[in-house]
Amino acid sequence: EPEVTQTPSHQVTQMGQEVILRCVPISNHLYFYWYRQILGQKVEFLVSFYNNEISEKSEIFDDQFSVERPDGSNFTLKIRSTKLEDSAMYFCASSTGTQEQFFGPGTRLTVL
Amino acid sequence: QQQVKQSPQSLIVQKGGISIINCAYENTAFDYFPWYQQFPGKGPALLIAIRPDVSEKKEGRFTISFNKSAKQFSLHIMDSQPGDSATYFCAASKRGTASKLTFGTGTRLQVTL
Repeated sequence: EPEVTQTPSHQVTQMGQEVILRCVPISNHLYFYWYRQILGQKVEFLVSFYNNEISEKSEIFDDQFSVERPDGSNFTLKIRSTKLEDSAMYFCASSTGTQEQFFGPGTRLTVL
Repeated sequence: QQQVKQSPQSLIVQKGGISIINCAYENTAFDYFPWYQQFPGKGPALLIAIRPDVSEKKEGRFTISFNKSAKQFSLHIMDSQPGDSATYFCAASKRGTASKLTFGTGTRLQVTL
């Protein structure tokens, strides 16, 4: 069964450093999303992406964040200058354009 | 108005019992209501979903009940098993492509022997 994959599974970084989280969406999906989940809290929407453009972004997705589809398979989330409060699980999701979204296993980001 | 409220926060059910988790929403533009199951250290997995044109949807031991007038929906897990122990999130999204999911706060379910 096709699935969303994410790398790395765990990323540790120093405050102020740049990180890039990578996702490979399901191959025939065209809509891509990033969500985050701070430990013990609910899953929060960050950004949606379609046709090489951001469709929607949340208040969390400020200028420190960016997304890119650098090739036909990868979808990345970049945080330019990490803060302590960016520590969370980051989930990538994809869909065909229906409302069903399929999530990856997540990347645990720890900012020290 | 974008919130989805979920209760209870945690739930302990004996094996074989019925687990019931409730959610409520305010935004009448929501028209898709999925439930996700999440095990520790894993991503949310789509379990079952419903649209407002039906009042109930059943898949195996999992049933969603939907009350459009009350703007509430619930997940029922029949014959609960220890393997069902996980965190369950309700969510909602509006009609349209690339529509974001708004999640509830989650319910930690523990099924005891």
